[in-house]
Amino acid sequence: LAKTTQPISMDSYEGQEVNITCSHNNIATNDYITWYQQFPSQGPRFIIQGYKTKVTNEVASLFIPADRKSSTLSLPRVSLSDTAVYYCLVYSNYQLIWGAGTKLIIKP
Amino acid sequence: NAGVTQTPKFRILKIGQSMTLQCAQDMNHNYMYWYRQDPGMGLKLIYYSVGAGITDKGEVPNGYNVSRSTTEDFPLRLELAAPSQTSVYFCASSSAERDIAKNIQYFGAGTRLSVL
Repeated sequence: LAKTTQPISMDSYEGQEVNITCSHNNIATNDYITWYQQFPSQGPRFIIQGYKTKVTNEVASLFIPADRKSSTLSLPRVSLSDTAVYYCLVYSNYQLIWGAGTKLIIKP
Repeated sequence: NAGVTQTPKFRILKIGQSMTLQCAQDMNHNYMYWYRQDPGMGLKLIYYSVGAGITDKGEVPNGYNVSRSTTEDFPLRLELAAPSQTSVYFCASSSAERDIAKNIQYFGAGTRLSVL
């Protein structure tokens, strides 16, 4: 069964690029990796999803190495409004496996 | 544009009481999920449903029951509430991609429950 590991917290400054890595072993070759963002008192919100190499959308990029044992969420030029908790989600052995979340604090 | 609606937003229960948390979605999604989130922790799946009349246990189903009589509604029942069930409960829904891992989940705003 897969297990996900994320850093508990990270700090950065406005305008910087932030990279958050999630380690996940034992996921299948074609299983998707999904990242969500959660603000206080709200439900999580989808950010990005992929299963290999690199995916980019209007808010983030997702990098997945060939061994698929980790994935990195990249947030370009963060702002104060990016302060939130970020979760990775994988599906392994017929189970949804959520990471414990990374609390990202952006400073002015 | 409602999406996923959860009621109530807040509730305080006494030990041993029962209640039903309501969840409704208007996106015609087949998949629905119930999670709990304890303070400072990640999400734990309680139950999920892949369609009307079909439900299955998640990681932490004990003390809860669900039913799915319609596509839109997925209520979560707490029987004999205990302090350990104090948590924030989130309902989510997703479309029925053939690959469940590809499903993008849409979440409600949550129900904050305290059992005293």
